[in-house]
Amino acid sequence: GAVVSQHPSRVICKSGTSVKIECRSLDFQATTMFWYRQFPKQSLMLMATSNEGSKATYEQGVEKDKFLINHASLTLSTLTVTSAHPEDSSFYICSAETGGTRDTQYFGPGTRLTVL
Amino acid sequence: RKEVEQDPGPFNVPEGATVAFNCTYSNSASQSFFWYRQDCRKEPKLLMSVYSSGNEDGRFTAQLNRASQYISLLIRDSKLSDSATYLCVVNTNAGKSTFGDGTTLTVKP
Repeated sequence: GAVVSQHPSRVICKSGTSVKIECRSLDFQATTMFWYRQFPKQSLMLMATSNEGSKATYEQGVEKDKFLINHASLTLSTLTVTSAHPEDSSFYICSAETGGTRDTQYFGPGTRLTVL
Repeated sequence: RKEVEQDPGPFNVPEGATVAFNCTYSNSASQSFFWYRQDCRKEPKLLMSVYSSGNEDGRFTAQLNRASQYISLLIRDSKLSDSATYLCVVNTNAGKSTFGDGTTLTVKP
């Protein structure tokens, strides 16, 4: 099946630092990847849609200058949380779309970010 | 009104029970439909796609009613390992995916 990896799985950092999260589709090419955030006991919230070779599309309320997304290749998208603050602590999950008529999304294992 | 709505539950059922979840969607242009399950502190995993004709995978049956704009998931002979949050996902033909908030199921011995 389609496998998506995410790295790192867990990050603990000080307030003010930047954190980079990588999302890779391991056995397929993904022209579109998605970045989600999930706070405890809440649903997934789409942050942005990342398209290879073009700028990401951000959802309303998500600051593009704070959450930098780069989709450098068909198998790699990165999310950088710049100047992270405690309120950015969350579970960040990426997904990649396999394309085709059904556009199934496969999720990475997630990155748990804790900002002290 | 949310684009995709699910009964949040929780559903607490004994082992062996049959349980059904419904999910309604508001966008009539929606094209494809999925059920995912998410375990605590883990990523969502695809459970099954939902086809117009209905589809079954072992103990799981998914159905789509386009006229009434809802999809359903039926779990028969519930196992302890079925305890999770079940997410309904609806895609439009523009490639936009919308997730429901999820329905929590706890299967008890």
